[in-house]
Amino acid sequence: QKEVEQNSGPLSVPEGAIASLNCTYSDRGSQSFFWYRQYSGKSPELIMFIYSNGDKEDGRFTAQLNKASQYVSLLIRDSQPSDSATYLCAVGGGDDKIIFGKGTRLHILP
Amino acid sequence: DAGVIQSPRHEVTEMGQEVTLRCKPISGHDYLFWYRQTMMRGLELLIYFNNNVPIDDSGMPEDRFSAKMPNASFSTLKIQPSEPRDSAVYFCASSRDFGSEKLFFGSGTQLSVL
Repeated sequence: QKEVEQNSGPLSVPEGAIASLNCTYSDRGSQSFFWYRQYSGKSPELIMFIYSNGDKEDGRFTAQLNKASQYVSLLIRDSQPSDSATYLCAVGGGDDKIIFGKGTRLHILP
Repeated sequence: DAGVIQSPRHEVTEMGQEVTLRCKPISGHDYLFWYRQTMMRGLELLIYFNNNVPIDDSGMPEDRFSAKMPNASFSTLKIQPSEPRDSAVYFCASSRDFGSEKLFFGSGTQLSVL
């Protein structure tokens, strides 16, 4: 059974600080990695994707991938109250499926 | 484009009744996915289609669940008979590709089986 693991949280971070979200996955054949944000009562929306080892930056968001350690992370700089949501790590490739973790609840403290 | 459209937004039914959830994917997207989300199990993939053909239904929990995609613009997920443990949010998502492409999610159907 292929798995994607995340700490459920909640992770509380002061406004303006860096939020760090982590994810591990079990399938070494995985090729694509995603971070989705889900506000309460809403559907998931993609905020970052990464395919290669290393860092990928987009605005305040940085995704980090380490395939050797089967580890993906998301950093949110200058955290804002609007960043409070559940963050879902998703992993795809290999057998065509995109598998989601259960998500980490992030709470930005004003 | 209007995005992925799901209906109904909310469905309340009694145990034993048939439930049909509907989805219209984004035009031009060849892949359609049905997911179920609960607090306990998170977002689970139930089944996905490629060009209207079911490719993998290994996530469908039981024979009570069935899904069809009669054409490129419409899919249904049916539960018959429904049970209280089926209560969840059901999402439909579409993408142009799989694995390497982002998923576009519909608004979801909140299903409550009493």
